[in-house]
Amino acid sequence: GQQVMQIPQYQHVQEGEDFTTYCNSSTTLSNIQWYKQRPGGHPVFLIQLVKSGEVKKQKRLTFQFGEAKKNSSLHITATQTTDVGTYFCARPGKEYGNKLVFGAGTILRVKS
Amino acid sequence: NAGVTQTPKFRVLKTGQSMTLLCAQDMNHEYMYWYRQDPGMGLRLIHYSVGEGTTAKGEVPDGYNVSRLKKQNFLLGLESAAPSQTSVYFCASSYFRTSGKDTQYFGPGTRLTVL
Repeated sequence: GQQVMQIPQYQHVQEGEDFTTYCNSSTTLSNIQWYKQRPGGHPVFLIQLVKSGEVKKQKRLTFQFGEAKKNSSLHITATQTTDVGTYFCARPGKEYGNKLVFGAGTILRVKS
Repeated sequence: NAGVTQTPKFRVLKTGQSMTLLCAQDMNHEYMYWYRQDPGMGLRLIHYSVGEGTTAKGEVPDGYNVSRLKKQNFLLGLESAAPSQTSVYFCASSYFRTSGKDTQYFGPGTRLTVL
């Protein structure tokens, strides 16, 4: 099955800088989910986006779903060391009964 | 609630050995999943189950078997381990909702090394 493409693969930022990761699909998505995995930990659900053009915020995190529902982004304002980890987007996989198919993830490192 | 638990946490096998990974959830979830995670590959779905007694293949099912004899348990078996199966294995579960909108809850993972 085709994964969603996530970019960048890796980003190292200074504490206080902003960070954005992008998730792109060649096909229209019914919805998209975002997960965070701390180093050595397990993925934890962050949010789900369903509507075209949807924007949701969680404190310093802003999630967007594109108008065409083919891409999504996660933006973190003023990163902190607690933001370190890998951020995954996930789409429904029609080939697997609509079970989630995860992107490869973006690894975020924050320098203090 | 313990959520999703996995045993064992770590395991080292020799090529050709067999083992079973156990996943248990106490949230009364219908759906359960097994993933493997390798560097740069994200999470890849091995097998999944939409209910007790049912299983289905995911993206990378070869070399693995699963069983869901009880709703709360999902077992992943390796009959003849190979070095290519060295990975971190995550189990997850979710409620029955409109397909594709299930929030998944993950276990802590099992780190498996096959020599």
